Amino acid sequence: NAGVMQNPRHLVRRRGQEARLRCSPMKGHSHVYWYRQLPEEGLKFMVYLQKENIIDESGMPKERFSAEFPKEGPSILRIQQVVRGDSAAYFCASSGDLNTGSGGYTFGSGTRLTVV
Amino acid sequence: GDSVTQMEGPVTLSEEAFLTINCTYTATGYPSLFWYVQYPGEGLQLLLKATKADDKGSNKGFEATYRKETTSFHLEKGSVQVSDSAVYFCALRSSIAGNQFYFGTGTSLTVIP
Repeated sequence: NAGVMQNPRHLVRRRGQEARLRCSPMKGHSHVYWYRQLPEEGLKFMVYLQKENIIDESGMPKERFSAEFPKEGPSILRIQQVVRGDSAAYFCASSGDLNTGSGGYTFGSGTRLTVV
Repeated sequence: GDSVTQMEGPVTLSEEAFLTINCTYTATGYPSLFWYVQYPGEGLQLLLKATKADDKGSNKGFEATYRKETTSFHLEKGSVQVSDSAVYFCALRSSIAGNQFYFGTGTSLTVIP
């Protein structure tokens, strides 16, 4: 039973390029969450999605960042025109119905984005 | 809004020492409380949880008790091992804001032989 799969594990982009981060949730999970972890800081919530819907994007920067979770395929976090300040670890988590399951998230191993 | 405050790190202990990592929270309603652990280069793993006041979560020798009166969920272990070296995150899941979790900033623990 594969867990949450994120790829790539490491991504290097030059300033101004686009970064695409992928997340396949755990089998049977329909809720996906993206978090960003900056160096020496905790996890900051970015966005919560269910299939084809953005439920809460209150943590997403207003510009350059977008997320989707299509009917088929993985969830994608896209960062356009990356800047050095986007360098961070981006974690995806998934869950089933939190009201009936274990109540917690399952996290992927993260994508470490470095902007040079 | 809801938030979690946890003990600043880093923490360095000798093997077999007693561990406490403090965590306090601010929340409306009745949140669920969690401890996650992050080993180097990996994602976060659920360590233990408690869903209501006075519940004690436990796993791998770690324990934490949900204290509503002090709004705390301190993590403890009686005898740490080198393999416990990791970053520990306290988190709450709001009972009001749906599925969103709020994480503390993490406490880095290093256990030396």
